[in-house]
Parts: sequence; C-alpha cells; structure tokens
Amino acid sequence: SAVISQKPSRDICQRGTSLTIQCQVDSQVTMMFWYRQQPGQSLTLIATANQGSEATYESGFVIDKFPISRPNLTFSTLTVSNMSPEDSSIYLCSVYDVGYTFGSGTRLTVV
Amino acid sequence: AQSVSQHNHHVILSEAASLELGCNYSYGGTVNLFWYVQYPGQHLQLLLKYFSGDPLVKGIKGFEAEFIKSKFSFNLRKPSVQWSDTAEYFCAVNAEAAGNKLTFGGGTRVLVKP
Repeated sequence: SAVISQKPSRDICQRGTSLTIQCQVDSQVTMMFWYRQQPGQSLTLIATANQGSEATYESGFVIDKFPISRPNLTFSTLTVSNMSPEDSSIYLCSVYDVGYTFGSGTRLTVV
Repeated sequence: AQSVSQHNHHVILSEAASLELGCNYSYGGTVNLFWYVQYPGQHLQLLLKYFSGDPLVKGIKGFEAEFIKSKFSFNLRKPSVQWSDTAEYFCAVNAEAAGNKLTFGGGTRVLVKP
C-alpha cells in the first residue's frame, strides 16, 4: 500500500494566521482525502482532493477556510486559513489505492 | 447520506476479558467496512477490513469482526484483551456510490486494566 509523508507533524500558530499542511505519497493515487480530528472526537472528512480540478468539500467546510491544492497524483496541500482556537485539531491526509492509508497527521494548536 | 454509529463511547475492562464493540451503518448499498485503532499518541492503524466473501473477518492482533448484512452491523471482537489493547477504536464505512469517501463512527475508547 501507499506510504504517506505528512508535514509538519505539529505546529503552534497565532490566531488570524494560516498554515499549509503538505501530503506526499510515494505512488500515484487518484483519490486523496483530508480529515480533521478534533480533540476527543472522531475523524470528519473535510474534502476530497481532485487532481486537475477543485476539491469537493463536505457540508460545513468551505474553500475559503480550507483551500486545497492537488497539482499532481502524488501531492496535495491543505491550508487552514485565518485560524482561530477552534481550528486546533489533528489534520490527516488519506489516500485510497488498495485500501485507505492515513498520514501520521498534523497536530495544530492555535493560540 | 451514509452514517456510522458506535454504541459504546467508553469501555473499561480487565485483562483477559472479552471485548465486543458495536458498529452499525445506515447506507443501504454495497459497502466496504473497516475497523481502525488509534493507540495513545499514535496515528490510525487498520485492524481489519471487509470487502466481500466470508463475513467473519480476521485482523491483526487477534481481532475479528463479523459483517451481518441484515442488521447493517460490523461488530469487532477479541476473545481476551491485553493491557496493550488500550486505545480508541473506530469503525468506518465507504460506498462506491458515495465516491469512496470513508465515513467514521464516533469512536470507542477502550481502557484495559492490568
């Protein structure tokens, strides 16, 4: 199965700033997803990152807040924009090839 | 929209006890089913998955799960737990008709007392 490298692994950011999270896959994959795991909660899908087109966002998530890039079949970025403390979460990318593989996550704390 | 329910939010049990975690899903079409585990401070790991075939699926670390289509359930079991099984367990479902998105249940925190 695919191997995912996600960075940064953690960051502490000031409110009002933005953070871009990178997800690199060691093979070409069609389907790439971004999830959020808020403290003590389950994983919620933010969006599906589509290569060559805009990401498809789930209800409650918008492109202005979580812009996503997918320039090729091995790479994607998620930006958390204009951050507030409520954005403090773990953000994970995931790919689907023979099954679902998850990155190790980015633990974001907004102060 | 598909949804996944895990009935138990917290489970506390002693070593050697048997574990069963419930998972029900709402989607009526063809589904693929997964159980993931997240050990404290670590990232998600796949325990087992069901795509088709034998509804009794065996995974890693002695876990198994049974797919009961008529009950829309995919319960996770382990006959005898160890302290190292302390973790959070997530059931997840995907359906091709829903774009292969993986939908997670709310998770069950399992604490195994030594």
